[in-house]
Amino acid sequence: ETGVTQTPRHLVMGMTNKKSLKCEQHLGHNAMYWYKQSAKKPLELMFVYNFKEQTENNSVPSRFSPECPNSSHLFLHLHTLQPEDSALYLCASSQAQGQLESYEQYFGPGTRLTVT
Amino acid sequence: AQKVTQAQTEISVVEKEDVTLDCVYETRDTTYYLFWYKQPPSGELVFLIRRNSFDEQNEISGRYSWNFQKSTSSFNFTITASQVVDSAVYFCALKAGANSKLTFGKGITLSVRP
Repeated sequence: ETGVTQTPRHLVMGMTNKKSLKCEQHLGHNAMYWYKQSAKKPLELMFVYNFKEQTENNSVPSRFSPECPNSSHLFLHLHTLQPEDSALYLCASSQAQGQLESYEQYFGPGTRLTVT
Repeated sequence: AQKVTQAQTEISVVEKEDVTLDCVYETRDTTYYLFWYKQPPSGELVFLIRRNSFDEQNEISGRYSWNFQKSTSSFNFTITASQVVDSAVYFCALKAGANSKLTFGKGITLSVRP
């Protein structure tokens, strides 16, 4: 596998279910990100991890719970979601962002989530 | 605060036409980075280019070219001799200062008809 992979690609879940999204990067990067992409809205950054430490939580509801066990893997645990949480969830990775440098992010194909 | 405006929402061209996608950005930071990404129907965003605020040289890569103008806070993207495979949503993004957040524009849907 190369690049950034995400599983599952599609997920349908009820509002009372618990599920997890998985992201894996094979690029040797140290930063990972979760984004939400809803129809007609700009991409929204949800979480940022640098060297396995969460460095940003962009006011995301607690029904979304990220986990980063190592620099190559990132999870998004979902529970008691709402229909408005239906969206494309994109994972990305990059070299760790420094104060004076910024690196491009490489994205996975996303998980299309539908909450019924 | 940072902001990226992509005023065009949808563009449709016929194959082999040239097309320019506009991007206007706002930031108070003097150090910033600009990006373009392509999102084909498959979903993943594909990185196209990164440009930092100290490098105003225009860039050409095959049929793609970028025009960075600090005077007008614009970073426009031109596809020459468009092809059907260029059909996608194109996002311009900005990262400014020490903030790790990428601010994306709303995207431009480009349709290239045969």
